[in-house]
Amino acid sequence: EPEVTQTPSHQVTQMGQEVILRCVPISNHLYFYWYRQILGQKVEFLVSFYNNEISEKSEIFDDQFSVERPDGSNFTLKIRSTKLEDSAMYFCASSTAGYTFGSGTRLTVV
Amino acid sequence: AQTVTQSQPEMSVQEAETVTLSCTYDTSESNYYLFWYKQPPSRQMILVIRQEAYKQQNATENRFSVNFQKAAKSFSLKISDSQLGDTAMYFCAFMNRAGNMLTFGGGTRLMVKP
Repeated sequence: EPEVTQTPSHQVTQMGQEVILRCVPISNHLYFYWYRQILGQKVEFLVSFYNNEISEKSEIFDDQFSVERPDGSNFTLKIRSTKLEDSAMYFCASSTAGYTFGSGTRLTVV
Repeated sequence: AQTVTQSQPEMSVQEAETVTLSCTYDTSESNYYLFWYKQPPSRQMILVIRQEAYKQQNATENRFSVNFQKAAKSFSLKISDSQLGDTAMYFCAFMNRAGNMLTFGGGTRLMVKP
């Protein structure tokens, strides 16, 4: 069964550093998403991406965040200057008729 | 904006018994989708079951079924013959017809006891 692949599974970074989280969506899917889950809390929408541009974003997705689909297969989330409160599980998802989530990247900011 | 509420933070059930998890939502739309996701300790998000709002028939997937009450904006999940592997967080989620984003409830932690 096709999968959404996320790398790395766990990333530790120093506060103020830039991080890039990587995702390979399912190849024939057209919509791509990033979600975030702070430990013990609900899953929150960050951004959706379609036709090489952002189609919708939440209030969480401020100027420190950006997304890119650099080569037609990867879909990345960049956090420019990480803060302690960015520590969370980040999920990538893709969809055509239904959603498939990746297994997540656990980001720890120290 | 849509909201999704799961009123049971934690539940437990004996193995082989049946348990029902509650979910209510608020929307002004008439066409939408509802989902239940399972999140085991690995924290992966696994789709359990999906319901289209325009379908009156409740969705069923093996031991998992839903009770969808559109007028009441209620979408409960019933797990029959509970198994130890069902122990997980369960999230109810809403998606509008445009299908651009999922709105999740706060989750219910289910413990299946042997």
